[in-house]
Amino acid sequence: AQSVAQPEDQVNVAEGNPLTVKCTYSVSGNPYLFWYVQYPNRGLQFLLKYITGDNLVKGSYGFEAEFNKSQTSFHLKKPSALVSDSALYFCAVRAANYGNNRLAFGKGNQVVVIP
Amino acid sequence: DGGITQSPKYLFRKEGQNVTLSCEQNLNHDAMYWYRQDPGQGLRLIYYSQIVNDFQKGDIAEGYSVSREKKESFPLTVTSAQKNPTAFYLCASSMSSGRVLGEQYFGPGTRLTVT
Repeated sequence: AQSVAQPEDQVNVAEGNPLTVKCTYSVSGNPYLFWYVQYPNRGLQFLLKYITGDNLVKGSYGFEAEFNKSQTSFHLKKPSALVSDSALYFCAVRAANYGNNRLAFGKGNQVVVIP
Repeated sequence: DGGITQSPKYLFRKEGQNVTLSCEQNLNHDAMYWYRQDPGQGLRLIYYSQIVNDFQKGDIAEGYSVSREKKESFPLTVTSAQKNPTAFYLCASSMSSGRVLGEQYFGPGTRLTVT
């Protein structure tokens, strides 16, 4: 079975401060990891993914994520948060050797950037 | 949300009626998915299809049905057997399944309200 935990329901951060959204995963074998963002009443937008290679992955809108195999984590980061980053963020995982592209999603983290 | 359309954006139905949600993609993706989103529960997979004329149940398929007669279309029917159908429904597609990984792209969603 594959699963994701996003331990914080909501993350509050002041505009201009660093933003971190936490994600830990459980999967058999090597993972493929993803971050998505959702604005109110919209679909999910892809931010970035880790497949293999460099542990630090850079994505859209200045976001990056660090894969840590020993801690089974894939935390999303942004050096300087903007008010427009306020949204719901989802982490997702699948096993690399899985026979299809079924993803397991976390429950999501609401990010609130305070002006 | 590019390349995937869902219609309508809002849908209202009386209890006991079946309703069909539309999902169309022009990305030439092989795989398509239906998710249900409820507040605080993240995304749950209803059905997915890896190829035309084939589909599999996800984690919460009871009370739902799908068809995949064309590559670009994957309609979801919410039947009267679904006990709690009010939710936000998201359709997604990906380039392929299996080992050739493509991230999933999401449509804008349909909010279904059943009274």
